[in-house]
Order: sequence, then structure tokens, then C-alpha cells
Amino acid sequence: KQEVTQIPAALSVPEGENLVLNCSFTDSAIYNLQWFRQDPGKGLTSLLLIQSSQREQTSGRLNASLDKSSGRSTLYIAASQPGDSATYLCAVGSSNTGKLIFGQGTTLQVKP
Amino acid sequence: EAGVTQFPSHSVIEKGQTVTLRCDPISGHDNLYWYRRVMGKEIKFLLHFVKESKQDESGMPNNRFLAERTGGTYSTLKVQPAELEDSGVYFCASSQQGILQETQYFGPGTRLLVL
Repeated sequence: KQEVTQIPAALSVPEGENLVLNCSFTDSAIYNLQWFRQDPGKGLTSLLLIQSSQREQTSGRLNASLDKSSGRSTLYIAASQPGDSATYLCAVGSSNTGKLIFGQGTTLQVKP
Repeated sequence: EAGVTQFPSHSVIEKGQTVTLRCDPISGHDNLYWYRRVMGKEIKFLLHFVKESKQDESGMPNNRFLAERTGGTYSTLKVQPAELEDSGVYFCASSQQGILQETQYFGPGTRLLVL
């Protein structure tokens, strides 16, 4: 049974810092991995999707990596801004039907 | 392009009542998913439609939950009768059908409170 874990559960950093959010999964047989952002009371916004054949994806100040053999993904945020404050969710696509298995999320606070 | 929409945004009902949630996916998206997040837990998969057919309903908690997608467009999720433990946020997501699995786009969710 696939399990997804995100560490840390919460993180507070000063503005301008580069930071890394971690996601680990127990079964390396995945189809893809998706990172989302959720603002309080809002829905999920897709940030990056990494297919199982890829090693990383980049979008602006965000870079996500995938290491299937070790069951890990990281989301790197460069030059953090207060507007980056949100909960970041990692989700693994473990079946060919597209079903996503989510971690609990990391709540990020970037202080001005 | 309109995103995934869900209705209602909030619903407060009493135990034993019936509630129907609606999801309108992005136009042209064949895949439609339902997920939910109960208090303190991670978001969990409920079921997956491809057009009007149920592809995977392994996450449906019990037979009090009924999902439909008539005509392969919008979907409804009915809870009848609702129980206290059904409280949570119900998310709908959609994606295009393709060889590689595509990004899932989520709606804002329906916040359900069963009293």
C-alpha cells in the first residue's frame, strides 16, 4: 500500500531564503508525482507534474526533483516571498487510472 | 478557460439528511475525480470517472455514497443518509485523457458539515 509522507509539517523562514520541501513515498512503482499549493479555504493549485520517466521539472522559482529508487521528491523554492506562504501538498500517481495519493502537506510561512 | 467548479461551496446538514454535491469539470476533460479531506487527515481518493463510466471506485467509503456522471459532463456525489464522520471538504478534479497521465486540476471544494 502506497504511503506518502511530507516533512516537515510546518516551516517558517524569513523572506529571501531558498528552501526545500520533502516528500517520500513507500512504493517506487509510480506513474507520476504532482506538487500542489493550497491557500487557506481554497482549492488546490497544481504547481508541477513530474512523470515517472523524468528527473525534474522547473517553473519559475520552483524546481521539483524525483528519485524513484529512493522514493523521494523535493520541491525547491528559490528566493522565497511572503506570497509563497501556503500549504504545499505532494501527491503520487500510483495507478494507471490517475488516482492520486496525498501526503499531509507542509505549511510554509515566509516572514517579511 | 473556466476551471473546475463545485457547488455548493458550503453545506451544513443534520445527521440522517441527504446532500448532493455537484462538480463541473473543465470542458473537454474526460477524467473526473472525487477526493475528500476529513479533519486532520490527508486528502483521499474516492472515485474516478472516464466520461460517464466509473473507472475506479475503490475509495468510496460505503454504500451511503453514490456518484454519477450522466452524459460524461458534470458529476454529482450524493450522501444518503449523512453521518457525522462524513464532515470534511470534498474536492473534484479533472484532467485530459492521454497516453501520459495529465495534470489534475482541482475545484475549490465543498465544505460539508454534518451536525
